[in-house]
Amino acid sequence: EPEVTQTPSHQVTQMGQEVILRCVPISNHLYFYWYRQILGQKVEFLVSFYNNEISEKSEIFDDQFSVERPDGSNFTLKIRSTKLEDSAMYFCASSEGTGDEKLFFGSGTQLSVL
Amino acid sequence: AQKITQTQPGMFVQEKEAVTLDCTYDTSDPSYGLFWYKQPSSGEMIFLIYQGSYDQQNATEGRYSLNFQKARKSANLVISASQLGDSAMYFCAMREDSGNTPLVFGKGTRLSVIA
Repeated sequence: EPEVTQTPSHQVTQMGQEVILRCVPISNHLYFYWYRQILGQKVEFLVSFYNNEISEKSEIFDDQFSVERPDGSNFTLKIRSTKLEDSAMYFCASSEGTGDEKLFFGSGTQLSVL
Repeated sequence: AQKITQTQPGMFVQEKEAVTLDCTYDTSDPSYGLFWYKQPSSGEMIFLIYQGSYDQQNATEGRYSLNFQKARKSANLVISASQLGDSAMYFCAMREDSGNTPLVFGKGTRLSVIA
């Protein structure tokens, strides 16, 4: 069964460093998303991406964040200068976008900013 | 305002029994979708079941069923014949406007299945 894959599963970084979280969405899906979950809290929307551009973003997704689809398969989230409060589980998700609204999530990347 | 409300922070159920996890939602959009996800201790988000606002029948997927009561704006998840592996966090989520708008999650319910 096709699945969304995310790498790495864990990332530890120093405050102020740049990190790139990587995702390979399901191959025939057209819409891509990043969500995050701070420990013990609910899952929060960051950004959605369609047709090579951001379609929607939340207040959390400030200038420190960017997304990119560098090739036909990868979808990345970059945090330019990490802060302690960026520590969270980051989930990538994708959906077909053809009236099927189901989102399928990857296993997540646990980001720890020290 | 909260769009998704899960009032049960934690639930216990005996193995092989059925359990209902509550979810109420708030929207003025006539077209929306409701989702349940399972998050085991390993952290991944596993899609369980989906209900569209125009669906006439309650959704079912194996041991999972969604008790959709549109007038009451509730979308409770029913897990039948609970198994130890069902112990996890369960999130209710909603997506408005039938499009690819962001999924909004509730705070979750931690289900513990007891042998």
